[in-house]
Amino acid sequence: DGGITQSPKYLFRKEGQNVTLSCEQNLNHDAMYWYRQDPGQGLRLIYYSQIVNDFQKGDIAEGYSVSREKKESFPLTVTSAQKNPTAFYLCASSIEGVGTGELFFGEGSRLTVL
Amino acid sequence: AQSVTQLDSHVSVSEGTPVLLRCNYSSSYSPSLFWYVQHPNKGLQLLLKYTSAATLVKGINGFEAEFKKSETSFHLTKPSAHMSDAAEYFCVVLGQDYKLSFGAGTTVTVRA
Repeated sequence: DGGITQSPKYLFRKEGQNVTLSCEQNLNHDAMYWYRQDPGQGLRLIYYSQIVNDFQKGDIAEGYSVSREKKESFPLTVTSAQKNPTAFYLCASSIEGVGTGELFFGEGSRLTVL
Repeated sequence: AQSVTQLDSHVSVSEGTPVLLRCNYSSSYSPSLFWYVQHPNKGLQLLLKYTSAATLVKGINGFEAEFKKSETSFHLTKPSAHMSDAAEYFCVVLGQDYKLSFGAGTTVTVRA
């Protein structure tokens, strides 16, 4: 079945450590996105990528980094520079690229900083 | 800039009764609007979308929404709630900058 796979589902990190969240899709979608979700808030865009080897900052990119070396993969690194990294992280993709509201989401990764 | 406001942070209904989730939007042009649903610890799933065609939009699982330009609203309804409808619902607007703005979400509880 086609879809988006995020791993790990749960992750614990000590302060000062970088951590990388994996996102893989087999939908053959060009565009991929990373969102952050905090309780009682809507989703906020961290980074997005429309094609391989290209990505753009979203609204809250500080303290995060991404790469897009393959169409299927869009990993997110949460660096030690991110002041409040504990959150639920969602990866998404879209068939039409940026400019569509029809996103397909993975099941998320919950990061907790100890 | 565009934005959405979900007027209720939490809605509680009895199984078999109607559900109404309210959303108002702010936009300087005719927007594209969406409703997404998120079950606990899961990703979001598209319920329905409005893109300037019919103002009454039907979605999955018996949900529908009506676009009212005069009221700048896009409320989501379902005639009869089911236990499986317990989830969080997000109203979303697509801006001219091609970015999505998410509402804060409405949590739906369904009582047996």
